[in-house]
Amino acid sequence: GAGVSQSPSNKVTEKGKDVELRCDPISGHTALYWYRQRLGQGLEFLIYFQGNSAPDKSGLPSDRFSAERTGESVSTLTIQRTQQEDSAVYLCASSLEGGDTDTQYFGPGTRLTVL
Amino acid sequence: DAKTTQPPSMDCAEGRAANLPCNHSTISGNEYVYWYRQIHSQGPQYIIHGLKNNETNEMASLIITEDRKSSTLILPHATLRDTAVYYCIVRLFHGSGNTGKLIFGQGTTLQVKP
Repeated sequence: GAGVSQSPSNKVTEKGKDVELRCDPISGHTALYWYRQRLGQGLEFLIYFQGNSAPDKSGLPSDRFSAERTGESVSTLTIQRTQQEDSAVYLCASSLEGGDTDTQYFGPGTRLTVL
Repeated sequence: DAKTTQPPSMDCAEGRAANLPCNHSTISGNEYVYWYRQIHSQGPQYIIHGLKNNETNEMASLIITEDRKSSTLILPHATLRDTAVYYCIVRLFHGSGNTGKLIFGQGTTLQVKP
């Protein structure tokens, strides 16, 4: 079946502009994660959604970052007043909650470049 | 989550087994060992995971020492397409208040050479 999809694949924006990144998880997956990966670095956790529970926002780096998820479907990550240090690949993952392990499946990412 | 230590890079000849080590000396009894890999310009790909016993699937084998303080990922017949960064991650299972977020280190860059 279809995997996790993200759009756009690439986004170039000017400093100070707002951007929205979209994630379509695997159908039926109740958990959704956003991560950020700076050039040459490992992944940093940003935010986690699980069903109707309050999201875990502990990884968001500043109040310029926010995310929403509609039910158990699409999620949007919004970065307001972008800064050059926001340049990174933003990765989304989803998983099917249940049992004692939970494998996350990643999308291809959105490469954000802030000029 | 426990921290992991991996060598920054390794080479392997095509067709040979690639053995990627990982140290996780502070692992606790209810933490799993997960392996992901990331091929250049792609999202991470799940490989395998385990708790205590050795595990094998179509991609790889995972050997966990009896004391669980280290593990080895084995790619039995490495191909050029296995060139990637391999991440060893220790995490609590998802649930019981745990988000299950993955904490990635720097990983091991495996270069498979012809």
